[in-house]
Amino acid sequence: EAEVAQSPRYKITEKSQAVAFWCDPISGHATLYWYRQILGQGPELLVQFQDESVVDDSQLPKDRFSAERLKGVDSTLKIQPAELGDSAMYLCASSFSPQGFGGTNEQFFGPGTRLTVL
Amino acid sequence: AQKVTQAQTEISVVEKEDVTLDCVYETRDTTYYLFWYKQPPSGELVFLIRRNSFDEQNEISGRYSWNFQKSTSSFNFTITASQVVDSAVYFCALSEGGTSYGKLTFGQGTILTVHP
Repeated sequence: EAEVAQSPRYKITEKSQAVAFWCDPISGHATLYWYRQILGQGPELLVQFQDESVVDDSQLPKDRFSAERLKGVDSTLKIQPAELGDSAMYLCASSFSPQGFGGTNEQFFGPGTRLTVL
Repeated sequence: AQKVTQAQTEISVVEKEDVTLDCVYETRDTTYYLFWYKQPPSGELVFLIRRNSFDEQNEISGRYSWNFQKSTSSFNFTITASQVVDSAVYFCALSEGGTSYGKLTFGQGTILTVHP
């Protein structure tokens, strides 16, 4: 069964260091999402790609976070420099949503990357 | 702006009891989609159900059932004869139609613990 892959599963870093997370969506899925889930809360969208284009990054702290999906397949989320408040689970999801077809397809989530900033 | 509220932070039941998880949503759109996800201790979100705003028919899948009522903006989830394996965090989520490309707004989650 096709799955969303994420790595690493766990990351411990010190504040002010740079970290990067990788996501490989299910093959053929045009839409890719990065969510952040703080302990005890629901996930919140950070950035959303349709193919290689960003369609929503309104909640992405752009002074320290960046995301790319250069070939419209896998994606990287980077934090530089990391802060204590960035400790959270970072979830990647994908869905089969053709261009211009909005919001009906279920999102498949990866296992997440649990980030701890010391 | 869309919003999802899950009033129950934690629920604890004994195995074989029925349990209902409440979800109330807010949206200005007439076209929207509602979801339930399960998050076991491993952390991965597991899709359970999707409902669109034009379909108020209740749905049953095995021990799971969902009650969608537009009049009260609620989309409640019932587990019949609960089992220990149902222990997890359950999230209700909403996405608006149009050009939103499926962005999900999640509630804060309900922690369900089923005791043997």
